[in-house]
Amino acid sequence: SAVISQKPSRDICQRGTSLTIQCQVDSQVTMMFWYRQQPGQSLTLIATANQGSEATYESGFVIDKFPISRPNLTFSTLTVSNMSPEDSSIYLCSVGGVEQFFGPGTRLTVL
Amino acid sequence: GQSLEQPSEVTAVEGAIVQINCTYQTSGFYGLSWYQQHDGGAPTFLSYNALDGLEETGRFSSFLSRSDSYGYLLLQELQMKDSASYFCAVRDRAAGNKLTFGGGTRVLVKP
Repeated sequence: SAVISQKPSRDICQRGTSLTIQCQVDSQVTMMFWYRQQPGQSLTLIATANQGSEATYESGFVIDKFPISRPNLTFSTLTVSNMSPEDSSIYLCSVGGVEQFFGPGTRLTVL
Repeated sequence: GQSLEQPSEVTAVEGAIVQINCTYQTSGFYGLSWYQQHDGGAPTFLSYNALDGLEETGRFSSFLSRSDSYGYLLLQELQMKDSASYFCAVRDRAAGNKLTFGGGTRVLVKP
């Protein structure tokens, strides 16, 4: 199993600004995943973050908008850049194989 | 790409049995997972099927038919605490541990 923490748990931001979300895992992992979950919707994978290499982004998500860092095997950050109200979502990180473990999420509201 | 279909909502009474179906289309199917998510919470892993058949874990069971690209989650002896959203997700052989989630089924348990 894995225990994952995220910071911040929630934030309210103004449009045009950026927010960096932190994800900390209690054990070393090769891959970390970042998801977005819009209100009442399913989870959509944004990107996969590997330590020591650039993140792999899914269709519809680009590095300029969602830059990701992965400085070591227990930590990653996701930045939501130049935010608009459409970016209001819950952002979750996860780790694991067959069984994925999710962080508690960051609830972002953009005004 | 991958796509998954599941009903959007199911309502049942305490003690009843609910079956949530999931049909999928994927290019390199590896396995089908099920996750539970309570409002405001993170998704938590329930079960995983890589082979045809039924997997039973307590009150919850999951079934897979690879030839039919179909699976279901069976919730027995429903309890109020089972009110949550349930997501099926597929692992794609060509995409490592990446998961693609279905739209989710909201289960409402009534007294």
